[in-house]
Amino acid sequence: DAMVIQNPRYQVTQFGKPVTLSCSQTLNHNVMYWYQQKSSQAPKLLFHYYDKDFNNEADTPDNFQSRRPNTSFCFLDIRSPGLGDTAMYLCATSTSPPTDTQYFGPGTRLTVL
Amino acid sequence: AQSVTQLGSHVSVSEGALVLLRCNYSSSVPPYLFWYVQYPNQGLQLLLKYTSAATLVKGINGFEAEFKKSETSFHLTKPSAHMSDAAEYFCAVSEWGFQKLVFGTGTRLLVSP
Repeated sequence: DAMVIQNPRYQVTQFGKPVTLSCSQTLNHNVMYWYQQKSSQAPKLLFHYYDKDFNNEADTPDNFQSRRPNTSFCFLDIRSPGLGDTAMYLCATSTSPPTDTQYFGPGTRLTVL
Repeated sequence: AQSVTQLGSHVSVSEGALVLLRCNYSSSVPPYLFWYVQYPNQGLQLLLKYTSAATLVKGINGFEAEFKKSETSFHLTKPSAHMSDAAEYFCAVSEWGFQKLVFGTGTRLLVSP
């Protein structure tokens, strides 16, 4: 089945230790999104790629970076995680925004100690 | 800028009762509207979407929503709640020319036997 895969599902890291989260898709969608979702809150868009074009949200901290080496993969790098970065990180894909459905992966739950 | 407001962070119903989750939007142009559902520790799944076709939209699992321009609303309903409907529900809005969704704060649906 075509899908959005996120690895790992759970990640624990130490304060200040860099971490990378992975997202891959078999849908061949040209748009990929990264969201941060804190406990009992709505998903908050961090950035997205439209093909190779990177679109950063104005309020996304510089601590968060992203790479998209090819259509199928996208990575979220947190250079120096703080305690406030503990959250669920969701990857999503779509073909033709704004009307097309966004397909979400299961998420990576990140805990910063 | 577009936005959505979801009235009620928690809604409790009995099994078999009507489900009504409220969503009001703000948009300067005709909006595209979505309802997503999120089960614990999972990603978001599309329930239904309005993209300027029929104003009454039917989705998965027996849910439907009606776009009412005069009331700027897109409320989600289901005639008879099932225990498996217990989850978090998010309303989201987008507009032509934008590549992203803006989510509401979510409503947690609780279903009691």
